[in-house]
Amino acid sequence: AQSVTQPDIHITVSEGASLELRCNYSYGATPYLFWYVQSPGQGLQLLLKYFSGDTLVQGIKGFEAEFKRSQSSFNLRKPSVHWSDAAEYFCAVRLSGGSYIPTFGRGTSLIVHP
Amino acid sequence: DTAVSQTPKYLVTQMGNDKSIKCEQNLGHDTMYWYKQDSKKFLKIMFSYNNKELIINETVPNRFSPKSPDKAHLNLHINSLELGDSAVYFCASSPRDRTTYEQYFGPGTRLTVT
Repeated sequence: AQSVTQPDIHITVSEGASLELRCNYSYGATPYLFWYVQSPGQGLQLLLKYFSGDTLVQGIKGFEAEFKRSQSSFNLRKPSVHWSDAAEYFCAVRLSGGSYIPTFGRGTSLIVHP
Repeated sequence: DTAVSQTPKYLVTQMGNDKSIKCEQNLGHDTMYWYKQDSKKFLKIMFSYNNKELIINETVPNRFSPKSPDKAHLNLHINSLELGDSAVYFCASSPRDRTTYEQYFGPGTRLTVT
């Protein structure tokens, strides 16, 4: 069965520091990969997505993610975190040619210290 | 010009009552979803509708019934509410494009059953 793992439940960083949120998946086929952000009291918003091509993708709000097939990972990064980035981050994966319903990870809560 | 809207945003009710949550999207998408997010932020797909037809009906109690009067609306009716139904319910939509299916989420409805 397909699965998505976000190993870190909480991540705490200082404002201005760099950030990396981890996402690993277990699939045999080529996946479509997504990162969503959920600000407090809000719905989920798409940050970025990967389907094919360049394995380093740029998203909104200064985020980027890198697909590494050999590691089955799609980690989210940001070079300098702002206090407004404090939120819940979800990785999601969908199989190409499979169900269009994505599988979501359990989320990583990002805490930003001033 | 909200893309995906839900009403109400908060719903507090007693056990045994029947309630409905409404969802509307103005993105012209063919596919709509209902998700349940529990207190640990885990997102569980409940239903998916494509162009007014039910596509997915995950193992949710039959007290939950989705209704789609047209492809822009997907309402969720819940009968005989139970304490365990307390959660945040998200509506989402996506275009029927085989290369994307990225989802657009509503702001959520926080349901509290007392």
